[in-house]
This record gives sequence, C-alpha cells and structure tokens, in this order.
Amino acid sequence: DAKTTQPTSMDCAEGRAANLPCNHSTISGNEYVYWYRQIHSQGPQYIIHGLKNNETNEMASLIITEDRKSSTLILPHATLRDTAVYYCIVRQFNDYKLSFGAGTTVTVRA
Amino acid sequence: EAGVAQSPRYKIIEKRQSVAFWCNPISGHATLYWYQQILGQGPKLLIQFQNNGVVDDSQLPKDRFSAERLKGVDSTLKIQPAKLEDSAVYLCASSSPSLRLAGSYNEQFFGPGTRLTVL
Repeated sequence: DAKTTQPTSMDCAEGRAANLPCNHSTISGNEYVYWYRQIHSQGPQYIIHGLKNNETNEMASLIITEDRKSSTLILPHATLRDTAVYYCIVRQFNDYKLSFGAGTTVTVRA
Repeated sequence: EAGVAQSPRYKIIEKRQSVAFWCNPISGHATLYWYQQILGQGPKLLIQFQNNGVVDDSQLPKDRFSAERLKGVDSTLKIQPAKLEDSAVYLCASSSPSLRLAGSYNEQFFGPGTRLTVL
C-alpha cells in the first residue's frame, strides 16, 4: 500500500473550517484516498473517500490534487465534537485491509 | 441499526494470565476484523474473517493469540499467555461485502473496543 504523511497535530477554532492535509506521493492509479476519524474512547469512523474527483458528503469535503499526490479533508464548520484523530489512508477499492498511520490529532477550541 | 458490540470494555490482568474478548458484529455483516491499537498509534489489523473462514491473519502473533468465529456471527479473540506489550485497545469491526453496490464503498464499522492492561 502507498504510505501517507500527515501533520501530527493541529488546532482549529470552533465554527471555522478545518483543513487537514495529507501527502500520498506514491499513490498508484487504482488506489483511493480514504479518511477515518477516531474520537476519544471510540472506534474509528468512516468519513469520506475519493479517487480523483472532489467529493462532498454531510460530514466533510475531500479535495484531491490533479496529480493525486496530496489531498485535503475539509470540515466546513468545526465543532467541539470534531475533536479527534483523523486518519488518511490509501488503498485499492477492493482491498478490505485498512492500514492506519498515526493520523492527525485535531483539537477544536471554543 | 445496532452497532458493533464488544465486551468487556476494560480488562486488567497480570502477565502470563489468559484473557478473552468478545465481539458481536452488525447483523448480516459477513466480514469481521480484529485490530490492536497501542497507545499513540493507529489500529493494526490482527485478523480478518469472511463468514467463519480466516481471510488474513498474517499479523496475528499465533504463538499467543487465537481467534475464532465458529458460526460466522460473533467472534472471540484470546491471548494466552499475556505479555506486558499486549497492553492495548482491541477493536472489532465489521463490514458487509454482500451488500456492495457498483461504485459504493464497503465501509468498516467499528465497536468501542476493549482496553486491556497487562501488569
């Protein structure tokens, strides 16, 4: 699997957009970008995934660069409940295995 | 729908003792996973079941860890004997490839985990 690089931590003000970067420079053509998050004392939760087009759902937006070497997860209006560790994962669509790195610890402050 | 259930939520044992964790996946989910999450790290897959068969157990320390899913529904993960380095959160997840639609993602749903402390 291609590996990802994420910042260790970041802060965000409540009500503002949180932009979480992820580098995946060795991603191959059939690998997708997935985002999960893990709130304290809970299991990880799926957020969104994409191949090359930008994606949006009720939780977040995913922006993937044209060369697919990096992506940004956007939480449009961060709330205190968005405080969590966010994991960026690349994998093939039909590969069930999720390989988690250390992720980015996001702290939303009032 | 009910989520993935795990028990116990917390367990404290001494090294060389045995321990077992239980997981009940979301109803109808054919695939079940066990992950180990050491403090400060992301979860690491230990074993994956498809119904009652093992798909991937390449990262399971088979000298001390075992897992089963006899009827293709709930599952148990056992450690015997436990070591200090086994202190971690053990997460269970499930997914349902049988319901996959073209272009859809078969996401994994995680339980709350069991926090194991080995003294």
